[in-house]
Amino acid sequence: ETGVTQSPTHLIKTRGQQVTLRCSSQSGHNTVSWYQQALGQGPQFIFQYYREEENGRGNFPPRFSGLQFPNYSSELNVNALELDDSALYLCASSLIAGTNEKLFFGSGTQLSVL
Amino acid sequence: DQQVKQNSPSLSVQEGRISILNCDYTNSMFDYFLWYKKYPAEGPTFLISISSIKDKNEDGRFTVFLNKSAKHLSLHIVPSQPGDSAVYFCAARIYGGSQGNLIFGKGTKLSVKP
Repeated sequence: ETGVTQSPTHLIKTRGQQVTLRCSSQSGHNTVSWYQQALGQGPQFIFQYYREEENGRGNFPPRFSGLQFPNYSSELNVNALELDDSALYLCASSLIAGTNEKLFFGSGTQLSVL
Repeated sequence: DQQVKQNSPSLSVQEGRISILNCDYTNSMFDYFLWYKKYPAEGPTFLISISSIKDKNEDGRFTVFLNKSAKHLSLHIVPSQPGDSAVYFCAARIYGGSQGNLIFGKGTKLSVKP
């Protein structure tokens, strides 16, 4: 077990709605990253937060946004949901102490958009 | 365009034999490579990594080989055990990129038969 927890585990939304996914990082970790994993694909990087600021972003539109809180928990918000947003959303935490720290993933939130 | 490719969607191996999982990449700016293992309903867990300045890294039953000239890496598991049955993802990090920004392949499903 990695110590990274995500909620909820499953979620069903309809097209056009907004969704908020939550993540609690592993104790002591100061960095959180979010990934989207579509069916049959590998995880795809959405963005990373460090000290409450976004400091890296993948190829995702602005309707994907995030927050990191002082206790290093995090949220992923998706506005104007589309059918293609149906995927497993993974949160990963790490500690920026060296250049190649590994990521610790949560079990994910399975989002279905109808 | 996929920068990290795992061309074998699945692999079946007998218990006790060697499992070899392959990964090819296209971006010469990758400087760090990782393998993650994923069981159903769980997030990916870190397995082993290798820096681009090395050609081999070993950890118990797991060895990763890197051939930079061929832009190819492989994960060897020996001896394979039924508990190794999972989806294995190859991932890479770009030099100077966000620590949390890993580029994943699509994964290879390994089945180890007793």
